[in-house]
Amino acid sequence: EIVLTQSPTTMAASPGEKVTITCRASSSVSYMHWYQQKPGASPKPWIYDTSKLASGVPNRFSGSGSGTSYSLTISSMETEDTATYYCQQWSSNSWTFGGGTKLELK
Amino acid sequence: QIQLVQSGPELKKPGESVKISCKASGYTFTDYAMHWVKQAPGKGLKWMGWINTYTGKPTYADDFKGRFVFSLEASASTANLQISNLKNEDTATYFCARDYGSFDYWGQGVMVTVSS
Repeated sequence: EIVLTQSPTTMAASPGEKVTITCRASSSVSYMHWYQQKPGASPKPWIYDTSKLASGVPNRFSGSGSGTSYSLTISSMETEDTATYYCQQWSSNSWTFGGGTKLELK
Repeated sequence: QIQLVQSGPELKKPGESVKISCKASGYTFTDYAMHWVKQAPGKGLKWMGWINTYTGKPTYADDFKGRFVFSLEASASTANLQISNLKNEDTATYFCARDYGSFDYWGQGVMVTVSS
């Protein structure tokens, strides 16, 4: 089973700051999905197939990566981006989520 | 519009069983698999498994084999999750999610509390 390790676990960013969240896989994978979750709410699809933005996601978000290292980037942090972000992938007949990255406003 | 509407919160005692539902609308239910995801309080997301909504065949993640049962009421476009012999560690929010390659629609979640 592939393990997904997200870093950092928690971070704070100022408005306008660039933010990068990393997801490392224990073995090479061919794509990564990302979800955003706010307190008390269901996760929302955010980025799929490594770099495609889900419907309604602002274009300040981007995704990239290959092999064992993937990232979610926010070009300019906004207040509404405070949330927990999870990476996800499918391998060996199993879905795995990363542990999550809690993004707070500084 | 596509919606997954789950049943309401549950308070159960250890050893009891619970059945929660996920009613889909706005699309052909049998065209997309349904997944179940557990989120313990303050914790991350854990995939429990999925059910083929066309054949009814369930597949369980390793940690969810034995006490967990996925089922369908296909005529009602509903997927169900039953947990038997509840334990304190089953206290969590349980989400259903539609499979579209990634999980593109999620239910609102059902909070199950297990407490004596």
